[in-house]
Amino acid sequence: KNEVEQSPQNLTAQEGEFITINCSYSVGISALHWLQQHPGGGIVSLFMLSSGKKKHGRLIATINIQEKHSSLHITASHPRDSAVYICAVNSGTYKYIFGTGTRLKVLA
Amino acid sequence: NAGVTQTPKFQVLKTGQSMTLQCAQDMNHEYMSWYRQDPGMGLRLIHYSVGAGITDQGEVPNGYNVSRSTTEDFPLRLLSAAPSQTSVYFCASSYTGTAEAFFGQGTRLTVV
Repeated sequence: KNEVEQSPQNLTAQEGEFITINCSYSVGISALHWLQQHPGGGIVSLFMLSSGKKKHGRLIATINIQEKHSSLHITASHPRDSAVYICAVNSGTYKYIFGTGTRLKVLA
Repeated sequence: NAGVTQTPKFQVLKTGQSMTLQCAQDMNHEYMSWYRQDPGMGLRLIHYSVGAGITDQGEVPNGYNVSRSTTEDFPLRLLSAAPSQTSVYFCASSYTGTAEAFFGQGTRLTVV
């Protein structure tokens, strides 16, 4: 069993839908990161959080430390949101553990 | 502000050849790292560095060497390429080992 599990693995949505991607982890962490990887391959950091909730535009990330669970929400989804979303945790000072990613496709 | 610059973007090698993947950052970050990304797997750490002159092994270091002579540069060397090293490689940097990471654009390497 992976130490970082994401669900779903694949997700297809219609434009405008509210989207939720989940991340569960089994190790103690100092921080959790949400990353976005576009079809061109580049990886961009969306959020880093260690508690509570963060919002940036249409993206919202939440974390529940007690339940070892985080969610990434996308409101009013758009085709340009189509990407792979990756959850990663810091389990030690210099160690990231990455999930395998959620492939999102938003249809116009 | 270039961020993290990684070259080349694509490379094809023959088995046994050597090559160096270049990574440079202009953000004065102490922490730099190399990952490989394979289908169905999360990114896996190859090597990392916490500052100039200091490097350490990650999860999958075999077949790779690194050095960190300056804060800006962190090259990854493949000593004798093998088909198992066919992958997409990413360089990343951050202010600390737990801060927000900035990634290069990736290198798609094929070893035939």
